[in-house]
Amino acid sequence: AQSVTQPDIHITVSEGASLELRCNYSYGATPYLFWYVQSPGQGLQLLLKYFSGDTLVQGIKGFEAEFKRSQSSFNLRKPSVHWSDAAEYFCAVGALGAGGTSYGKLTFGQGTILTVHP
Amino acid sequence: DTEVTQTPKHLVMGMTNKKSLKCEQHMGHRAMYWYKQKAKKPPELMFVYSYEKLSINESVPSRFSPECPNSSLLNLHLHALQPEDSALYLCASSQGRVDTQYFGPGTRLTVL
Repeated sequence: AQSVTQPDIHITVSEGASLELRCNYSYGATPYLFWYVQSPGQGLQLLLKYFSGDTLVQGIKGFEAEFKRSQSSFNLRKPSVHWSDAAEYFCAVGALGAGGTSYGKLTFGQGTILTVHP
Repeated sequence: DTEVTQTPKHLVMGMTNKKSLKCEQHMGHRAMYWYKQKAKKPPELMFVYSYEKLSINESVPSRFSPECPNSSLLNLHLHALQPEDSALYLCASSQGRVDTQYFGPGTRLTVL
């Protein structure tokens, strides 16, 4: 079964500082990966995705993530955080090529809450 | 346009009520999903529809009944819910089942 670990439940950074949110996944098949962001009481907004190709992917709002197969990681980064980035961030993994009932099923990590200090 | 709409935004219901949640997308997506999200938890998959047919039911209690009348619409019929069913219910859609899922804003459900 696939699983996702986001080791940091809560991260606090100062505005203008750099940010890295960690995500580790576990699945035997080829994964496809997402980062979503959620503001309180809202739906999930897609930040970026990885299916194949270049392992460094660019997303919206200045975010990027790097897929490292050897480390089973897909960490999210931003060089300079803005106060509006405060939200909860979810990493999600699905399995390419999986058949049956797992086909297309996303598994989410527990989320990382980002607080931004002025 | 990657918009998924959900109505109502908020819903309060008693345990004997029958209500429905509605989800709509006009992106031509052929897969649609219902998720349940409790406070401070990640979304949990409930149902997947692919080409208007139920593909995945994650052992959801029968008091939740999904319906996909056409490729743009997804309903979730609620009956005899329990207070622990109070949560944010999210709808999502994707082009195919192995594809990016786009989420709606959710319906905040409170069961009294």
